[in-house]
Amino acid sequence: QQQVKQSPQSLIVQKGGISIINCAYENTAFDYFPWYQQFPGKGPALLIAIRPDVSEKKEGRFTISFNKSAKQFSLHIMDSQPGDSATYFCAASIDSGGYQKVTFGIGTKLQVIP
Amino acid sequence: DAGITQSPRHKVTETGTPVTLRCHQTENHRYMYWYRQDPGHGLRLIHYSYGVKDTDKGEVSDGYSVSRSKTEDFLLTLESATSSQTSVYFCAISELSGQTNYGYTFGSGTRLTVV
Repeated sequence: QQQVKQSPQSLIVQKGGISIINCAYENTAFDYFPWYQQFPGKGPALLIAIRPDVSEKKEGRFTISFNKSAKQFSLHIMDSQPGDSATYFCAASIDSGGYQKVTFGIGTKLQVIP
Repeated sequence: DAGITQSPRHKVTETGTPVTLRCHQTENHRYMYWYRQDPGHGLRLIHYSYGVKDTDKGEVSDGYSVSRSKTEDFLLTLESATSSQTSVYFCAISELSGQTNYGYTFGSGTRLTVV
């Protein structure tokens, strides 16, 4: 049972273009939506996150758009660079008394070509 | 990754042998997690801990056990390794401060191959 559906699984973008990764969730109890970036041979690292009471959050070239009614959220990478080539995971979590019950998407492998 | 280390980084073991992976943190975080990462499945939770000697199962806990005798160490044991347990294993830590959720900090992973 995949509670967080992520697409596409792979993405190739030209340098300077916009990379868009989409996620959809089912459980309305989720209260925190982070995105993680993972480079080969490394662990995932928190990139940016949003709470459901906010529709958009921007940090540098990275923006999360959140649509609560549609239960969808997406990551936009503006002016994509070859250094952004990595695997990106969306996630959704519930605060269970301090313990974060996190559900991850299956990941999107992004390749930015020069 | 700062504050969290996993050992070993790579291991090859034979089917049927026991294997223990170690996660060590210096952040004094209460919550620790073991995940496995497989193509097409993303990250799946094996076990987690919410304090010393306090652990619980995740979604893919069969064949795995854990122990946490100190705040800083969380061990994952494969009692009798099988080829289906070939994977990359990640440890993560988390803490909440009031209403602020800081997400997970992951270790660099252990690549385990069962032959």
